Amino acid sequence: AQTVTQSQPEMSVQEAETVTLSCTYDTSESDYYLFWYKQPPSRQMILVIRQEAYKQQNATENRFSVNFQKAAKSFSLKISDSQLGDAAMYFCAYRHDKLIFGTGTRLQVFP
Amino acid sequence: DVKVTQSSRYLVKRTGEKVFLECVQDMDHENMFWYRQDPGLGLRLIYFSYDVKMKEKGDIPEGYSVSREKKERFSLILESASTNQTSMYLCASSLLSQPKAFFGQGTRLTVV
Repeated sequence: AQTVTQSQPEMSVQEAETVTLSCTYDTSESDYYLFWYKQPPSRQMILVIRQEAYKQQNATENRFSVNFQKAAKSFSLKISDSQLGDAAMYFCAYRHDKLIFGTGTRLQVFP
Repeated sequence: DVKVTQSSRYLVKRTGEKVFLECVQDMDHENMFWYRQDPGLGLRLIYFSYDVKMKEKGDIPEGYSVSREKKERFSLILESASTNQTSMYLCASSLLSQPKAFFGQGTRLTVV
């Protein structure tokens, strides 16, 4: 069975600093996608970044980047120059056929 | 932009009632998903559908059923609502050929 694990229920970071959120997953598939979604208090799920498993290069979207280690089945999210608006729940997700999520990490950003 | 609309943002129902949660998408997506979100448990997949009249069980289908009679609409049905089904319900959709999923705004269901 495919599973996604986020071991950090809560994280905090100071504004302008860098924070890394951890995610591991388990699958026997070789072809899949990984995502980080952000859920602010509005509850709307927002896609932050995605990674195709066949790509070795780590995805980057502005201040957001990932460290994808396929052999270790690890997919961490790095947020650089953190901003107050980054405060939210962050979910790691895996997709082969169905889309499954981890339990989430609540990120607090302090001024 | 893609719009995924859930029929209600907040809903209060009584124990034993039959409850319908509706989800409509406007971009001809083949895939549709229903999740429930609970604190500390993340989003758990209830059911998903690849196409009209097709459905697959997710990780927690017990107590739920679904209906997909038209491509744009995916309904989640609680046959006899119970208090342990009080939760946030999220619907999502995506193209078969594209991995990105689009989400509705969520329905917070309270069963009393």
